[in-house]
Amino acid sequence: DAGVIQSPRHEVTEMGQEVTLRCKPISGHDYLFWYRQTMMRGLELLIYFNNNVPIDDSGMPEDRFSAKMPNASFSTLKIQPSEPRDSAVYFCATTKGVRETQYFGPGTRLLVL
Amino acid sequence: AQSVAQPEDQVNVAEGNPLTVKCTYSVSGNPYLFWYVQYPNRGLQFLLKYITGDNLVKGSYGFEAEFNKSQTSFHLKKPSALVSDSALYFCAVRDIHGSSNTGKLIFGQGTTLQVKP
Repeated sequence: DAGVIQSPRHEVTEMGQEVTLRCKPISGHDYLFWYRQTMMRGLELLIYFNNNVPIDDSGMPEDRFSAKMPNASFSTLKIQPSEPRDSAVYFCATTKGVRETQYFGPGTRLLVL
Repeated sequence: AQSVAQPEDQVNVAEGNPLTVKCTYSVSGNPYLFWYVQYPNRGLQFLLKYITGDNLVKGSYGFEAEFNKSQTSFHLKKPSALVSDSALYFCAVRDIHGSSNTGKLIFGQGTTLQVKP
């Protein structure tokens, strides 16, 4: 299995631009989590899905952030408009069943200028 | 509320010496506990987990962790550290408590392990 796939690996954009991060979960995994990692705040859970349905988005910082999971093989995290304080590493993680191990993707390193 | 604490920002050990990275947790029900490692510019890699059973859990790369319910701790250990073990280590807990079994992991703030030759 290829593991969790994220794209792009690096993204540099200017303030005000739209940013879309993508995640392909491990086949058969029914939970998908989006995290953000910064030096100041550590690892934060932004939102997670179960069977493509958003379950908890309480970690989404503000309305500029949105996430979708149109099918079991694909999820996006969108920031519109982006701001410099959104600069971070964004991770996607997936798991099969609520009691199992979460497996992380390599992350997308976002820099907003 | 669920929480995880890693009291040390950094742990320094000499190569060949035993290492311990500390973790304490707070949950309302029975905990599922995890350790992850993150190497520079990489994603988190799963090391080991405690679900139930033996309090001593063995994982990848020679790491082990001991679950102590009375002390609500889950310290990560390795008998002999390697320079290549230098990385950022995260403890995480999932609260398994009836209908609140959400699958969410709560992570500690991370501990940087530095192993010197």
